[in-house]
Amino acid sequence: SQELEQSPQSLIVQEGKNLTINCTSSKTLYGLYWYKQKYGEGLIFLMMLQKGGEEKSHEKITAKLDEKKQQSSLHITASQPSHAGIYLCGADIDSGGSNYKLTFGKGTLLTVNP
Amino acid sequence: KAGVTQTPRYLIKTRGQQVTLSCSPISGHRSVSWYQQTPGQGLQFLFEYFSETQRNKGNFPGRFSGRQFSNSRSEMNVSTLELGDSALYLCASSPGRLAGKETQYFGPGTRLLVL
Repeated sequence: SQELEQSPQSLIVQEGKNLTINCTSSKTLYGLYWYKQKYGEGLIFLMMLQKGGEEKSHEKITAKLDEKKQQSSLHITASQPSHAGIYLCGADIDSGGSNYKLTFGKGTLLTVNP
Repeated sequence: KAGVTQTPRYLIKTRGQQVTLSCSPISGHRSVSWYQQTPGQGLQFLFEYFSETQRNKGNFPGRFSGRQFSNSRSEMNVSTLELGDSALYLCASSPGRLAGKETQYFGPGTRLLVL
């Protein structure tokens, strides 16, 4: 089974709508990263969460880490076509917090219709 | 600062050949990690180098190898290519000194197609 499960796998929303992407770990999380990827390109760093209960925001994107549930959520408010892409969560769940060996979820493909 | 750069961006090889990919990290970063991304398996960790030493390794066969130079630039090599090696290969860099507190910044990737 996948060690980092992302849901949903894909999402189609109308511009202006809010949405949430979830990332759940089967193991203890030692930090959780959110990245965005345009198809076939590199990953763009969005946010890093390290402590349980931590919440960070950048422009219209907010990410939270629930350490007890081993889960993180990414919320986009008032979505825009520029938010379209693949959202990936990554975490160190194998090397006890070194953060140099990340395990990633399969990604969530977000489509925003104008 | 310039970002992580990878060369070449695209590559076509045939089965049995070998290939070398290059990654130049952000200036001042000493840790370089390599990942393989495929539609079926997603993004998977290959290995990580710090100060010319392999510090972490993923679950890939010995055909996949890497090295890092004194200027922190890194190369990965895949020998005896198989069709299943077709993938986007991504490298990421970070300062490498504060475990658990650093962000990995990714390059644009090298798209490898094995025919």
